[in-house]
Amino acid sequence: GNSVTQMEGPVTLSEEAFLTINCTYTATGYPSLFWYVQYPGEGLQLLLKATKADDKGSNKGFEATYRKETTSFHLEKGSVQVSDSAVYFCAPSLRSNDYKLSFGAGTTVTVRA
Amino acid sequence: DVKVTQSSRYLVKRTGEKVFLECVQDMDHENMFWYRQDPGLGLRLIYFSYDVKMKEKGDIPEGYSVSREKKERFSLILESASTNQTSMYLCASLVGTANTGELFFGEGSRLTVL
Repeated sequence: GNSVTQMEGPVTLSEEAFLTINCTYTATGYPSLFWYVQYPGEGLQLLLKATKADDKGSNKGFEATYRKETTSFHLEKGSVQVSDSAVYFCAPSLRSNDYKLSFGAGTTVTVRA
Repeated sequence: DVKVTQSSRYLVKRTGEKVFLECVQDMDHENMFWYRQDPGLGLRLIYFSYDVKMKEKGDIPEGYSVSREKKERFSLILESASTNQTSMYLCASLVGTANTGELFFGEGSRLTVL
């Protein structure tokens, strides 16, 4: 199935610092790519997505660009806040004939005031 | 908005008990999933279902079973709970197609087996 390799954490930053979390993928065909976020005590929720090469997903100040040539989908935010403290998961879409997608450990980000 | 509801946020059970974790989605989605989340291991797929009464094993099905009698409801069953099944359990529903769709998660059920 489709899979990702994601930068391991934990990552600790100060408020207003720049955040980047690396993600590379392997896939058959051209999957959509997603970043999910899990805030403390909650389930995962979609942060942003991109459905084709060169698309840029963005939400809450976060951005990620679907790079087919480097098979990457790195997450970036220019100025983090304490409220961005969470676990971030990169994931490709499922495949039509293979629904077995398991997420990696994610990247734990802690932002200090 | 899509809503995936897990019936219990926190459960405490004893070894050997039968445990039911319920998940309901309100958007008539065909595909639903159960994951468990453990520190350092991420989310691992237990089972998924692509239609009523249809199910397939994920990566770690041992010790679990599932039931999908109605489209909106997908239940995870621990026939005889063990301490190594203490974990956070997440249910998800697929919005859209497999190739482009996103997973919509419930808030999770934290199970402790004593």
